[in-house]
Amino acid sequence: QKEVEQNSGPLSVPEGAIASLNCTYSDRGSQSFFWYRQYSGKSPELIMFIYSNGDKEDGRFTAQLNKASQYVSLLIRDSQPSDSATYLCAVKNTGNQFYFGTGTSLTVIP
Amino acid sequence: KAGVTQTPRYLIKTRGQQVTLSCSPISGHRSVSWYQQTPGQGLQFLFEYFSETQRNKGNFPGRFSGRQFSNSRSEMNVSTLELGDSALYLCASSLAGSNTEAFFGQGTRLTVV
Repeated sequence: QKEVEQNSGPLSVPEGAIASLNCTYSDRGSQSFFWYRQYSGKSPELIMFIYSNGDKEDGRFTAQLNKASQYVSLLIRDSQPSDSATYLCAVKNTGNQFYFGTGTSLTVIP
Repeated sequence: KAGVTQTPRYLIKTRGQQVTLSCSPISGHRSVSWYQQTPGQGLQFLFEYFSETQRNKGNFPGRFSGRQFSNSRSEMNVSTLELGDSALYLCASSLAGSNTEAFFGQGTRLTVV
C-alpha cells in the first residue's frame, strides 16, 4: 500500500465549475498535509497546507482534512484555465518525512 | 530571499557514467530532500539530509547516494547510470519541524543515452 494515494485522472472540468481533488494516506500518525501544484515542465509549488481537521479556505481554494478517515481533499472554486496543472498531495509523517502522491492531472476547459 | 537552487538544469550522460547534482537550499533551511520524478511514477523519495546526516532514505539502489555539507548545500550522486535513471531530479528544502512545507528547486533534467 502506498503512503499517499490520489486518483491520477485526468480530471476535466468546465471553466467556472468546482474541481474536487482527493487524497488518502496510510500513516494515521501523520500531522501535516499539503497541496502542491505543478505545471508541465516546472517544479511543484505550494498551494495550501492544513494541520487540523475541518476546512481551510484561501481564496478560491479550500482544503479539507478528515483524520479519522485519513482523507484530504482540495476544492477549487470558479476553476480557470490557468488552474490546469497536476496537483500533488503531500503528507508529512511523524518522522518529518514528506510522502507525495502521484498527482492528479486537472484540465479546465474554456 | 533566494529560493532553492539546483545545478545543472540539464544533463545528458551515457550509460555507465556517473553524475553529481547540486542543491543549495533556502538560507536557514537545514533539511534537504531529493526526489526523482518520472511520468507515471510521480515523485519518488530518494533521501533526506538534516545537519549533514542522512535522516531518511527511500527505496533506491546503492548507486544513488548523497551528502550534505556544513552550509546545508547538498549533492546527489548516481553511479553506473542506466537508461531508467532518466528523470527530473528535484531537491526540496524545509525548516525543521512537522508543520513546515517543502520548497522545491527548478530541478535537474537528466537524460541517459
